[in-house]
Amino acid sequence: ETGVTQTPRHLVMGMTNKKSLKCEQHLGHNAMYWYKQSAKKPLELMFVYNFKEQTENNSVPSRFSPECPNSSHLFLHLHTLQPEDSALYLCASSQTGGSTDTQYFGPGTRLTVL
Amino acid sequence: AQSVTQLDSHVSVSEGTPVLLRCNYSSSYSPSLFWYVQHPNKGLQLLLKYTSAATLVKGINGFEAEFKKSETSFHLTKPSAHMSDAAEYFCVVSDRDNQGGKLIFGQGTELSVKP
Repeated sequence: ETGVTQTPRHLVMGMTNKKSLKCEQHLGHNAMYWYKQSAKKPLELMFVYNFKEQTENNSVPSRFSPECPNSSHLFLHLHTLQPEDSALYLCASSQTGGSTDTQYFGPGTRLTVL
Repeated sequence: AQSVTQLDSHVSVSEGTPVLLRCNYSSSYSPSLFWYVQHPNKGLQLLLKYTSAATLVKGINGFEAEFKKSETSFHLTKPSAHMSDAAEYFCVVSDRDNQGGKLIFGQGTELSVKP
């Protein structure tokens, strides 16, 4: 596998379920990101991890819980979600997390909350 | 505060004609600017980026963009559209003094290419 991979690609869950999204990067990068892409809205940065440490939490509700066990893997744990959380969740990685770094994106997980 | 405005939500061109996607930015510091493309059901792919070198930036697939500080613009152009260019395009700004690598995305411009 090359680049940034995300699983699952599609997820349907009820409001009481607990699920996790997984992201893996095969680029040797040290920074990883979660974004939310909703219809008709710009991409919203959710979390940033740099060298496994969380460096940004963009006022995300606690029903979203990120985990970064190492520089190659990033998870987003979901519980008690709301229908308005339905969106495309994109993972990205970059070399160092600097402002001029190119971020490489995965294909996303399409989440539907019933 | 940083912001980016894509002036057109949808642009339609005929195959073989020029493409112009407009972007204006606001930044307190020296900006880094990017254009990303997203094809249906795919992640975002970098087309090109400006980080302080030449103001005319060439990217992949024949796209280029010109950084104009006086106009706070970073418009994306291509001389001749191809059917495969149909996608969503995002203009993105990042302040160079921002150590967190935080990107601010525009609303996106959907490009349609007619045969």
